[in-house]
Amino acid sequence: GAGVSQSPSNKVTEKGKDVELRCDPISGHTALYWYRQSLGQGLEFLIYFQGNSAPDKSGLPSDRFSAERTGGSVSTLTIQRTQQEDSAVYLCASSHGTSLYSNQPQHFGDGTRLSIL
Amino acid sequence: GIQVEQSPPDLILQEGANSTLRCNFSDSVNNLQWFHQNPWGQLINLFYIPSGTKQNGRLSATTVATERYSLLYISSSQTTDSGVYFCAVPNAGNNRKLIWGLGTSLAVNP
Repeated sequence: GAGVSQSPSNKVTEKGKDVELRCDPISGHTALYWYRQSLGQGLEFLIYFQGNSAPDKSGLPSDRFSAERTGGSVSTLTIQRTQQEDSAVYLCASSHGTSLYSNQPQHFGDGTRLSIL
Repeated sequence: GIQVEQSPPDLILQEGANSTLRCNFSDSVNNLQWFHQNPWGQLINLFYIPSGTKQNGRLSATTVATERYSLLYISSSQTTDSGVYFCAVPNAGNNRKLIWGLGTSLAVNP
């Protein structure tokens, strides 16, 4: 598609379950980012991929969070043993991310709204 | 790290009014983005404006990089302009991690 695609758009699950969120970046974008937005808050950076590698994992809140990217395209963010404080909107963005294009803007998907009961 | 401050935090307008939103940042940057998050949570790119002025319909933005601020102008506001407006700049030393302001929450009343 033309934009960043995220799935599912909404996810409701019980505390303690694992969840997997998916992001399809814009075709040709080598950089991919995950952010989290809790209710009424700004956006919190989670992780950034350049190709399939993640040079910056500093934003992951705990070891229950992990992310991977394969084929330089689709990325999944996995949250294990979910807690209620994990409830948030998880946003994915992509950009041209090579050193030649380091100033390119980030384009965002519509997000996954995660609710932990 | 770089700090981003937005003002005002909240704004209520009557339809048709004009407004100016401000974004101050604490260090020099080489790009800046303005976003609109609509009431349904969608985050929409408005401007990518490291410097100078850009216009898109009723919206325009100006960034004065040497003075570390950017302004977003909304003219003839409409109810569909309601939502939260964020500015974001790259973290120093890492162009790809955006640092976000807390946003300006705008409500446009009919």
